[in-house]
Parts: sequence; structure tokens; C-alpha cells
Amino acid sequence: QETLVQSGGGVVQPGASLRLSCVASGFSFNVYGIHWVRQAPGKGLEWVAFIRSDGNERYYADSVKGRLTISRDNYKDTVFLQMNSLRPDDTSVYYCAKDLKVRGPAGAFDIWGQGTMVVVSS
Amino acid sequence: QSALTQPASVSGSPGQSITLSCTGTSSDVGNDNLVSWYQQHPGQVPKLLIYEVSKRSPGISSRFSGSKSGNTASLTISGLQAEDEADYYCCSYAVSRTWLFGGGTKLTVL
Repeated sequence: QETLVQSGGGVVQPGASLRLSCVASGFSFNVYGIHWVRQAPGKGLEWVAFIRSDGNERYYADSVKGRLTISRDNYKDTVFLQMNSLRPDDTSVYYCAKDLKVRGPAGAFDIWGQGTMVVVSS
Repeated sequence: QSALTQPASVSGSPGQSITLSCTGTSSDVGNDNLVSWYQQHPGQVPKLLIYEVSKRSPGISSRFSGSKSGNTASLTISGLQAEDEADYYCCSYAVSRTWLFGGGTKLTVL
């Protein structure tokens, strides 16, 4: 069974840093790109970042560029989201999601992590 | 990076067919076929329904179908059932190497 299990998250003050982790199992992690998607309380989905299977290409939403960094460790089947200079409007549930296609991206997210809450508040 | 446009809410009766729209631009929805649709029940993780405009994700009922015309993609749900009541999101790859979601449509089954 293909799964993504997330950890990290919590309550931090504005300007703080946080790192989210997403551990994959049940599929060949090193041939799939991974995305991060977030959802503010009561709001819709917002795509945040993508990293290719080999880690050589990364794309970001304008709203997080320069503050959030996606990375991966294919030996540990893990993707990370390093979050710096956090702002109150970063408060959301963050999901990691597997891209559908081998060595994609297909831009379709077929396996999702359980989500982790990040609250940025003073 | 503007979100795709979806109606905020749609309703239908059991057994009916309804169509949800998702409007973008020539730089995203109209640019290629990388449009997908997701269903999200309250408190749950989103589920992939449709990818590449019209391909159903494994295990998804044939009552769900997708299409696209120009800059507008559509999700049709036929034979509406109570369990279809949920939020639905479209998503498209954009030429700027980003992905855009729609604001979501809340489907109510009357």
C-alpha cells in the first residue's frame, strides 16, 4: 500500500522556522516527484512546491518563493519542507502529495499524506 | 498566479447529473491537458478523481467524467448520490511551472 506519513508542524511565532517531513512507503520513491499543498482553515487548496524525482528541479508558488524550500533524501524515502520567515498567512494544514507519473510531473496528486497543521501566531 | 475560477456552490437532487466548471486562461487550463479534479469530504484528505482532463483515477466510479473546452474544464457527476456531497477542486499546470487550484465548489445533494 502506497502511503505518505507526515511529521513536523506546530505553533510558532511570526519570523520563526519549521521543518516538515514526509516519509514514503509502498512505492519506488526515487522515480516520483513530490508536491506540497496547503489549506488554510476553512479555505481551499493551494499548491506550494514541487520537487522532481532526482531532486534536480524545484518549483515554488510565488507566495512562498524565497522562504520555503523543498528537498528530498532518496536514500531515506523522505521529502522535506523547510519553512523560514513564517508569516501568519502561512497558517494552514500542509499536505505532501505524490505526483501520478513516473519521472513526471503529471500535475496530478494521487497519494496524499495525512496533513500536518502549522499555526503562525504571536 | 491567480486561482482558477469555480462556482462557490452547486446543488442537485439524487439521480440527477450536475456539471462543475473550472475556468482558467490560455496559460494554464487552455495550454495543455494537465487538468485534474479532487473530491474532499469535511475533515478528510483530498482524493484524486480525474487526471489529464478526462482520465479516471483507479477505483473511481464511472459516474465521474471530465472534459475541457478552451480555457474551461468541467467535471460531470451523473446519477448523483448522497455520498457525492463534498467540496470539489480543479487543478491545472501553468506555463510558469506552477500548479493552480480553483477556489473549490461545495456540492450539496438535496
